[in-house]
Amino acid sequence: RKEVEQDPGPFNVPEGATVAFNCTYSNSASQSFFWYRQDCRKEPKLLMSVYSSGNEDGRFTAQLNRASQYISLLIRDSKLSDSATYLCVVNDRTGNKLVFGAGTILRVKS
Amino acid sequence: NAGVTQTPKFQVLKTGQSMTLQCAQDMNHNSMYWYRQDPGMGLRLIYYSASEGTTDKGEVPNGYNVSRLNKREFSLRLESAAPSQTSVYFCASSEAGGGRFEKLFFGSGTQLSVL
Repeated sequence: RKEVEQDPGPFNVPEGATVAFNCTYSNSASQSFFWYRQDCRKEPKLLMSVYSSGNEDGRFTAQLNRASQYISLLIRDSKLSDSATYLCVVNDRTGNKLVFGAGTILRVKS
Repeated sequence: NAGVTQTPKFQVLKTGQSMTLQCAQDMNHNSMYWYRQDPGMGLRLIYYSASEGTTDKGEVPNGYNVSRLNKREFSLRLESAAPSQTSVYFCASSEAGGGRFEKLFFGSGTQLSVL
């Protein structure tokens, strides 16, 4: 089983829609969780950290479910500019390194 | 702010050739990383350096060597390039240390093709 797994998508949604992605992780002892965004042929950039109590940043909400070992990202009122690949990132079994999921592609269409 | 600068942006090699990818950061970060990204796969860690003077293997270190020249610079060397090393390479830095993870800052990437 991969340490971090994501549905590759693509998720095709109209502008204004709400879309959610999940990411499962295998290490029950993981403590650090992040969502990164990567535009085509560009470097990844941090979208948001994921905290135990869940957190929100504008239209973006991140949640952590430790019991089921997954994190989620909810995007409300999707914009064309939200089209990108969303990468789930979790610290590995040793706790010393970060492991990236393969990413979920989001396409927002007008 | 320059952030993380890596060079070159593109490179084509023949099998067996060697090359060094350069990376420098101006944020005074302790930790630096080299990742590769292949289609359908997440970024995979090649090597990392938790602090100046130390380097450790990541998930896919075979065929690569690294040097943490000083706190700013972390280079990745391919001694004898193979087609399997065709990939996009990213350098990154962060303030992570002691099991604590902070935001990763990435360079703009190097697209490497090995023929």
